[in-house]
Amino acid sequence: AQKVTQAQTEISVVEKEDVTLDCVYETRDTTYYLFWYKQPPSGELVFLIRRNSFDEQNEISGRYSWNFQKSTSSFNFTITASQVVDSAVYFCALSDDSGTYKYIFGTGTRLKVLA
Amino acid sequence: DTEVTQTPKHLVMGMTNKKSLKCEQHMGHRAMYWYKQKAKKPPELMFVYSYEKLSINESVPSRFSPECPNSSLLNLHLHALQPEDSALYLCASSQLAGSDYGYTFGSGTRLTVV
Repeated sequence: AQKVTQAQTEISVVEKEDVTLDCVYETRDTTYYLFWYKQPPSGELVFLIRRNSFDEQNEISGRYSWNFQKSTSSFNFTITASQVVDSAVYFCALSDDSGTYKYIFGTGTRLKVLA
Repeated sequence: DTEVTQTPKHLVMGMTNKKSLKCEQHMGHRAMYWYKQKAKKPPELMFVYSYEKLSINESVPSRFSPECPNSSLLNLHLHALQPEDSALYLCASSQLAGSDYGYTFGSGTRLTVV
């Protein structure tokens, strides 16, 4: 069965600290996709990244970086020099290639960045 | 225009009321979705529309009735809801249907059923 685990329920950091949000997934599929979404207090989920199972390259986008490791089934997300605006709930999600239209979401990690 | 617009932002309705949620996108996306999100939980898929046709109904009770009048609009008609239906209702769209695409989400309608 497919599953996504975000073991960190809530993390608090002080502004400018680096923070890593963990995501561990389970799937038997060889083709799958991993995502991170940010949900600020305003409610919308903001798409951050999509990674397919054949692309293990790490990605950096400004202060955000992602570390995909198939060997440990992890897709971790690091925010460098965190800012108050980074405060949100972050969801990791998994989908397969079967056209089910359904994400398997993790339970989310609430990040609080304190000024 | 790279956003999904949902109206209203907040809605309070009685259990005997009929109301509708509206979702609009002008990105040329051909797939649209309704999700329900309870507090402190991840979103749960309700419906998927692909090319204006209903593709997926995740066993949603008939008191929720989706409608896709055209490729830019998605409605969710509500009737005889229960208090446990109170939640954040999110609309999303993607270029084509399929969970291998990244979705663009709206900011949601916070629904309270009294």
